Amino acid sequence: SQKIEQNSEALNIQEGKTATLTCNYTNYSPAYLQWYRQDPGRGPVFLLLIRENEKEKRKERLKVTFDTTLKQSLFHITASQPADSATYLCALDYKLSFGAGTTVTVRA
Amino acid sequence: NAGVTQTPKFRVLKTGQSMTLLCAQDMNHEYMYWYRQDPGMGLRLIHYSVGEGTTAKGEVPDGYNVSRLKKQNFLLGLESAAPSQTSVYFCASSSPGLAGTDTQYFGPGTRLTVL
Repeated sequence: SQKIEQNSEALNIQEGKTATLTCNYTNYSPAYLQWYRQDPGRGPVFLLLIRENEKEKRKERLKVTFDTTLKQSLFHITASQPADSATYLCALDYKLSFGAGTTVTVRA
Repeated sequence: NAGVTQTPKFRVLKTGQSMTLLCAQDMNHEYMYWYRQDPGMGLRLIHYSVGEGTTAKGEVPDGYNVSRLKKQNFLLGLESAAPSQTSVYFCASSSPGLAGTDTQYFGPGTRLTVL
């Protein structure tokens, strides 16, 4: 069955820096991949979707890349702010498989 | 619009007790899902429904039952609760979009503890 893995460690970064999160998957070729944000005690909220034929997608300070050869997606938060502190989840298309998430903490 | 709501928000059960979690959505979405989230394991799909009157098993269905009698509601039942079912439960809904994409809208979660 398919497997999805994200950075296992929490990510602590200084305000203004770029946070880069990794999502790797195996045994599957997704038609698209999604990224969600989850704040403590709340449900995940959709951020971005990238299709297999797209290399890069941007939304404000967020950027997602998708490398189907490496079976990897990278999620970047540029000019990070303390309000970006949260857990970020990646999910494989119709398989409804979510990674365990990477917790990002941005220090002021 | 309230989006996706879940009832109750918190619940403590004793082993062997039963309960039903209610999920409601007001976005007229066709698809609805139940997940559980445990530390370090991410979201795992329990059951899902692609329309009123239909349900299907997800990754971890054992010990749970579901029903979708109305399009806007999706119920998750625990017939005989076990400590292993202590978790946070999330409901989500979606409506298939362009080119078959499926973005989900999540509820706030139900924190269940089984003693």
